[in-house]
Amino acid sequence: AQKITQTQPGMFVQEKEAVTLDCTYDTSDPSYGLFWYKQPSSGEMIFLIYQGSYDQQNATEGRYSLNFQKARKSANLVISASQLGDSAMYFCAMREDYSGNTPLVFGKGTRLSVIA
Amino acid sequence: DAGVIQSPRHEVTEMGQEVTLRCKPISGHDYLFWYRQTMMRGLELLIYFNNNVPIDDSGMPEDRFSAKMPNASFSTLKIQPSEPRDSAVYFCASSHRPRDNQPQHFGDGTRLSIL
Repeated sequence: AQKITQTQPGMFVQEKEAVTLDCTYDTSDPSYGLFWYKQPSSGEMIFLIYQGSYDQQNATEGRYSLNFQKARKSANLVISASQLGDSAMYFCAMREDYSGNTPLVFGKGTRLSVIA
Repeated sequence: DAGVIQSPRHEVTEMGQEVTLRCKPISGHDYLFWYRQTMMRGLELLIYFNNNVPIDDSGMPEDRFSAKMPNASFSTLKIQPSEPRDSAVYFCASSHRPRDNQPQHFGDGTRLSIL
């Protein structure tokens, strides 16, 4: 079974609008961490935001926020006020037992295109 | 601070040749990861090291693939002999001990094309 599921292969959003990229995860571990990365067309992987399973509040980093719904096992990324430079692939990833030393498992990604 | 440095950025070679990819992790990071990215399979973990010791190499696809980390500042991923299906982008990433909110920091990748 897939650990991380991103059901939207591609998304379009108008510039200055908000967009939500979906991510659901599967784990039986009570301790885990969720990460979002951005991969622009140049290819590098850029860390955006983190949410821990025990965090009481949704994570925010500038225009990025995470809509964390633990019971539904979802960790959707919300990008507010989209910019043309936000066009990229976005990957959701999970680390189980984040006090341990397990590596990240990545979803297949969502390609976001911001339209002027 | 310098990030994760990978070389070469691009490699084109003929099948059957040996390919060596190189990685310099961020200083002070004690975990190093090698990933492969393809359209079909996405990002796959190949192997990771802790304090220069391989911890999990279950993602290494075949015996043609090998990875070493002779010291804390250098790692190699070698493919011998290379095949066209090895064409992919290979990423190296490093991190502190993976706990709490420690992300993995990625290099820019090596785009490998085997003809």
